[in-house]
Amino acid sequence: QQPVQSPQAVILREGEDAVINCSSSKALYSVHWYRQKHGEAPVFLMILLKGGEQKGHEKISASFNEKKQQSSLYLTASQLSYSGTYFCGTPNAGGTSYGKLTFGQGTILTVHP
Amino acid sequence: DARVTQTPRHKVTEMGQEVTMRCQPILGHNTVFWYRQTMMQGLELLAYFRNRAPLDDSGMPKDRFSAEMPDATLATLKIQPSEPRDSAVYFCASGLRDRGSGSNQPQHFGDGTRLSIL
Repeated sequence: QQPVQSPQAVILREGEDAVINCSSSKALYSVHWYRQKHGEAPVFLMILLKGGEQKGHEKISASFNEKKQQSSLYLTASQLSYSGTYFCGTPNAGGTSYGKLTFGQGTILTVHP
Repeated sequence: DARVTQTPRHKVTEMGQEVTMRCQPILGHNTVFWYRQTMMQGLELLAYFRNRAPLDDSGMPKDRFSAEMPDATLATLKIQPSEPRDSAVYFCASGLRDRGSGSNQPQHFGDGTRLSIL
């Protein structure tokens, strides 16, 4: 099943903060986060492997809560370069599809000067 | 920096024509993924290879789509015959999976092929 992202879109001014959530109806073992700028390919941001783990990339960090089957991406003091669509991806647990990611529908983040 | 290379970058063709898209994964990567991206459906997985063997193509319309890896440096996605509803951006991604990392390795995406079927 596809993970559900919220909100669908966020509009910010430079310097403001935002949170993007990713929820799954199935057990999560890890969560991947990617960012895609308009007209470009998705680019890997980070992988969260353990329940409760938080990782960071520049001023972007994320948390992972296994019990709640969700992950949140935190964008602090946003910059114009943060604009893009953010995707979470959740891997299949086993079988031949092990390693396959199912991506959420994406959250469009727009940062204005 | 090592990159996934996709060709062509753009393709415009008429309905019914065969379309072949190519992907050169990053050297040393043993997993290859083909995705299709549209506004309506988002990013959908079409096919997934590991060590050149197809593991999952459940997302691919079997009657017209086919995916292969003739060798470790080339993956192909073919559509025959093409239809207007196939218009989309097709991405190839590669990654490295070993027993230890499982699915916990990033996928590296190519720049995509923008396909328009008239």
